[in-house]
Amino acid sequence: DARVTQTPRHKVTEMGQEVTMRCQPILGHNTVFWYRQTMMQGLELLAYFRNRAPLDDSGMPKDRFSAEMPDATLATLKIQPSEPRDSAVYFCASGLVLSFPGSEAFFGQGTRLTVV
Amino acid sequence: DAKTTQPPSMDCAEGRAANLPCNHSTISGNEYVYWYRQIHSQGPQYIIHGLKNNETNEMASLIITEDRKSSTLILPHATLRDTAVYYCIVRVPDSSNTGKLIFGQGTTLQVKP
Repeated sequence: DARVTQTPRHKVTEMGQEVTMRCQPILGHNTVFWYRQTMMQGLELLAYFRNRAPLDDSGMPKDRFSAEMPDATLATLKIQPSEPRDSAVYFCASGLVLSFPGSEAFFGQGTRLTVV
Repeated sequence: DAKTTQPPSMDCAEGRAANLPCNHSTISGNEYVYWYRQIHSQGPQYIIHGLKNNETNEMASLIITEDRKSSTLILPHATLRDTAVYYCIVRVPDSSNTGKLIFGQGTTLQVKP
């Protein structure tokens, strides 16, 4: 059963600490999206990649957030330093896009981040 | 980007059809309509998408008006497990022809016994 795997599922950290969230896209998918969900803002697109190249990270706070794809099987989202306002659920999604619009995006179960 | 407008909430009786409307009056000719849903605490789940023609799959039907300015998602026989937030999204091609999914506030569908 192919699925997007996100780790950790839950993370509690202190303000100022570095947080790394990981995502394993579905094997063979070439597109990865990172989203953040809060009650106030809903689902916000932070960044997305195609064939490991970043396409758009305009949704990310640049000074503290970074997203990378070290290889085709791993995407990471880092926050350094973390702040209480970063508390949210972070979702990763993957899809196969050979031409627009490509396949549907499959979402992981999310990482629930709490910064105290 | 084309924006979508959905009612914030709807109720539906179990076993009846749920018809969820979406307005996307600024949609362009090459932009697709997607529907996702999010059941509490889970990641969003793909339901269906379409360009011009009506579409049907095992989960739902998508009816797109001829002028493409609005669409309706139909769950033919709603069950309690269909209670969720339903998102209507217009997928717009970007410079790489990938297309991002921008979620709005969605419609909270409550299916009642």
